[in-house]
Amino acid sequence: AAGVIQSPRHLIKEKRETATLKCYPIPRHDTVYWYQQGPGQDPQFLISFYEKMQSDKGSIPDRFSAQQFSDYHSELNMSSLELGDSALYFCASSLSRPPTDTQYFGPGTRLTVL
Amino acid sequence: ELKVEQNPLFLSMQEGKNYTIYCNYSTTSDRLYWYRQDPGKSLESLFVLLSNGAVKQEGRLMASLDTKARLSTLHITAAVHDLSATYFCGYSGGSNYKLTFGKGTLLTVNP
Repeated sequence: AAGVIQSPRHLIKEKRETATLKCYPIPRHDTVYWYQQGPGQDPQFLISFYEKMQSDKGSIPDRFSAQQFSDYHSELNMSSLELGDSALYFCASSLSRPPTDTQYFGPGTRLTVL
Repeated sequence: ELKVEQNPLFLSMQEGKNYTIYCNYSTTSDRLYWYRQDPGKSLESLFVLLSNGAVKQEGRLMASLDTKARLSTLHITAAVHDLSATYFCGYSGGSNYKLTFGKGTLLTVNP
């Protein structure tokens, strides 16, 4: 079965640089979520999109922005990178239909900021 | 503010033993999820619990939900080494589909 695809899998950047993370959801899934997981931490919700519109926003820094495109893939843009942005970034997708909306997670992008 | 509390945070077990991980949440739950994560890897969906009294089992793992007590449990039966991982419970409620996770339980199963 098709899974969520994320690229790149690993990314190394310098402070103050910019990074773009990409996510390709499972086909026919209508909702995409982004989570950030620091070392030894639980995943923290950043932002979500339903049918290409932003549906919810969590603790996402103003330096970050995201969008979902017409083909349902999503991109997370991160500017003015800081050391504290080093983390695993997960994209998840779901088919948001009651009663269940299990989120399926991609393999993640490991971002290291030097 | 929604809170999801898991305990224990660390669990070291011997193979063949039984144990339970607890997940308490602070508000009325619509949906409670359990995920497994191996080190540096993705989160794998284990169970979705949607109603009071729901019980689901897969192999040596069984999850249950008590919405009145705001408690979900993940029971491990006759643990084997392959179950070593971090287990997260997650809450999703109402029209807000984002997941709020507990801190996770790092399970180590020793021979």
